[in-house]
Amino acid sequence: GAVVSQHPSWVICKSGTSVKIECRSLDFQATTMFWYRQFPKQSLMLMATSNEGSKATYEQGVEKDKFLINHASLTLSTLTVTSAHPEDSSFYICSAPGMGLAGTGTDTQYFGPGTRLTVL
Amino acid sequence: KQEVTQIPAALSVPEGENLVLNCSFTDSAIYNLQWFRQDPGKGLTSLLLIQSSQREQTSGRLNASLDKSSGRSTLYIAASQPGDSATYLCAVSKQGANSKLTFGKGITLSVRP
Repeated sequence: GAVVSQHPSWVICKSGTSVKIECRSLDFQATTMFWYRQFPKQSLMLMATSNEGSKATYEQGVEKDKFLINHASLTLSTLTVTSAHPEDSSFYICSAPGMGLAGTGTDTQYFGPGTRLTVL
Repeated sequence: KQEVTQIPAALSVPEGENLVLNCSFTDSAIYNLQWFRQDPGKGLTSLLLIQSSQREQTSGRLNASLDKSSGRSTLYIAASQPGDSATYLCAVSKQGANSKLTFGKGITLSVRP
């Protein structure tokens, strides 16, 4: 079945540093990937849509210069949190739609295991 | 703007009980609805997906129904087990596989042995 991986699974960094999170579709290609953020006991909130070969589309209220997204290939999207601050501490999850490709369900979104970011 | 509501936020039941988790959404113009399971500190596992033209989907002890006109979906879990303890989220998609999902806050289920 379709698998989406994320790396790292957790990261602790000092305030002011930048952190890169990778999202990979392991056995299928994804022209679109989604980045979500989840605060404790809250639901997932979409941050941006990552598009292979073009700029990402950001949701209202999400700073594109702070959360840099690069969809480098059909299997890789990266989210870089620049100059991270404690309020950026959260659980970041990516997803990719299967779109009925080989080994995937039609219209099913496949989620990565998430990355726990803690900014000190 | 689509809003997805799941009430109650938490539920505790004894093992073996059949239970229903509810989800409601404000905009009935959806493409599909998905139910997910999330274990603490983990990502999401897709349980069931219902297309807007469908009324229900079944997988093992799980059955999900969809009433698009009233903006409601239910997830039925038969013969609950302690291993079913997790947070269950529903999410709707407006335009298909490449469109974003709008999530509810989830229902945290605890099944007592």
